[in-house]
Amino acid sequence: DAGITQSPRHKVTETGTPVTLRCHQTENHRYMYWYRQDPGHGLRLIHYSYGVKDTDKGEVSDGYSVSRSKTEDFLLTLESATSSQTSVYFCAISRPGQRETQYFGPGTRLLVL
Amino acid sequence: RKEVEQDPGPFNVPEGATVAFNCTYSNSASQSFFWYRQDCRKEPKLLMSVYSSGNEDGRFTAQLNRASQYISLLIRDSKLSDSATYLCVVNEGNQFYFGTGTSLTVIP
Repeated sequence: DAGITQSPRHKVTETGTPVTLRCHQTENHRYMYWYRQDPGHGLRLIHYSYGVKDTDKGEVSDGYSVSRSKTEDFLLTLESATSSQTSVYFCAISRPGQRETQYFGPGTRLLVL
Repeated sequence: RKEVEQDPGPFNVPEGATVAFNCTYSNSASQSFFWYRQDCRKEPKLLMSVYSSGNEDGRFTAQLNRASQYISLLIRDSKLSDSATYLCVVNEGNQFYFGTGTSLTVIP
């Protein structure tokens, strides 16, 4: 158990509304990641963070922003949700000395109508 | 072109069978390689890392062929509990690339 929680676990929203997903870790690890998982695509990296206020873009960052004001929290924001952002979102962390290994949270299922 | 390609399956095998999954990756500069397991509607979990020399963990054996850019996973003596989707993962610096996964169902 990597001590990662995500909230909400499920969300239904309407096109055009802002949505924020939260990832919380209890182990104070430096590296945190946001992925989305869609059929036919596997998991794709949206953004990642390597420390407080240090973030960078991943493969599919358009339409998403992130913030990390505390080590334990990594927020993913959809500024104006679109139906193409309907997906399952996973947060992940890497542990020191195991930077290449990722541990995932339970996921958030988002439906944009 | 996808960074990581896997045969999606599904693979349906009887208990006790041996099954092999393959994965290819496109970037020869890729640094690290992994197999993850994902149960239905759950998060991915690390199964094992993959090393050039090959590595084994109980009934699971992983192989890496850098020249062919090919990764494999062999499961011996399949158990019902092995039923899951197996994800091939490649690391390039701060980026991780996941295959779409191979579905395995072990049948009694």
